[in-house]
This record gives sequence, structure tokens and C-alpha cells, in this order.
Amino acid sequence: DQQVKQNSPSLSVQEGRISILNCDYTNSMFDYFLWYKKYPAEGPTFLISISSIKDKNEDGRFTVFLNKSAKHLSLHIVPSQPGDSAVYFCAARQGAQKLVFGQGTRLTINP
Amino acid sequence: NAGVMQNPRHLVRRRGQEARLRCSPMKGHSHVYWYRQLPEEGLKFMVYLQKENIIDESGMPKERFSAEFPKEGPSILRIQQVVRGDSAAYFCASSPQGLGAEAFFGQGTRLTVV
Repeated sequence: DQQVKQNSPSLSVQEGRISILNCDYTNSMFDYFLWYKKYPAEGPTFLISISSIKDKNEDGRFTVFLNKSAKHLSLHIVPSQPGDSAVYFCAARQGAQKLVFGQGTRLTINP
Repeated sequence: NAGVMQNPRHLVRRRGQEARLRCSPMKGHSHVYWYRQLPEEGLKFMVYLQKENIIDESGMPKERFSAEFPKEGPSILRIQQVVRGDSAAYFCASSPQGLGAEAFFGQGTRLTVV
């Protein structure tokens, strides 16, 4: 039972353009959502988060949007840079005890 | 302030052996989480511990797997009688309070069972 889904395994974007990564969830009890970035052979690094009471959070080049009615969130990166190439995981908090992760989307930024 | 430290980074075990994975949380963090990542999959929650207590082990396989976080020393994830299907990357995260949202991850231990 996959409660958090990232339906695009990979995404390729040209440098300077906008990258949009999508995530869907099924559990309406999730109260907090996060995006993590992961390079090969390293642990996930926290990127940005959003509370379920908000619909947008922005931090520099990164913006996360939350559509509660659609149970959908997205991460926008603009402008995309080569260093953004990584695997991005969407995660949702279930209570105070654990995060539920999506399968990840591999983002490649082409020069 | 050192981050979450996991060791070893790589561990090779033969089928039937035991694997011990260690995690030292960030200074001041008393909450530890273990996650497993199978190839081409996301991270799956295994267990949440506080000092000397297991809070939530709903993601742990019922057999062969155990975890502890003693009063002194690192958290240990122990896998007995390993099988090939245990091959994965195991990540530990820590937080200062019981808020998974603020968890910081270690670099992981890649377990290979041969």
C-alpha cells in the first residue's frame, strides 16, 4: 500500500529552466510534507517542507505547493542548475514518529 | 557539530551471518530512526527509538531484525542469519525531539549479502 507516490521515476530538464517534481498521497491524516534530495552513496538531505495548513512555501530557488483537495504536492526549482541533478524524495509525516517516503524521482539537469 | 555518523559504510556478509549496523546521532539528539532502501525504491521506515526505549517498530520484519539504543553508545540495528534479500542501504536519522520532520540522515550503511 503505497501512501506516497512519485509517478515519474526520472525527469530531464535543461539548465536555467524550471524543474517540476510531483508527488501524490492517499492518507488525509498526513500533517506535514517534506522534500529530500539525495546524491549517490549519501544520505538524504532535507530541502524544504510545508505544513498541511499552508498551500505554498518558498526558499530561494525552491518552492513547494500543496493542493490538499487533490492530495498533491509539487516541488518547483527555478532556475535549474547542474548541481540540482540528484534523486528527489517526497515524504509525509504520519504522527510525530515517522516519515513515509515516495519512490523518488531522478532529476537530470542538462547543460 | 558532527552530523549523524553511521558505520560501517559498507558491510559484506555471507548468508547466515550476523550484521551489526551502528548509528551515532547528532549531539543533543535523543531520537533515532532507521530506514531501509531497497534498489530502485524509496526509503521504508523500520523503527523509531529513544534512549533505552523502542517507540515504534511497525516497520521491522518480525524475525531476525532487532534494534536498540542504549543509554550509552550508538544505536545498533542487528540482523541475524542474513539472507540475500537483506541487501540494501540502511539509513539512520536523528532528531532532537520526536518530530520526524526535523530528522537529519546519516550517509547510510550499504549491506551486501553474498
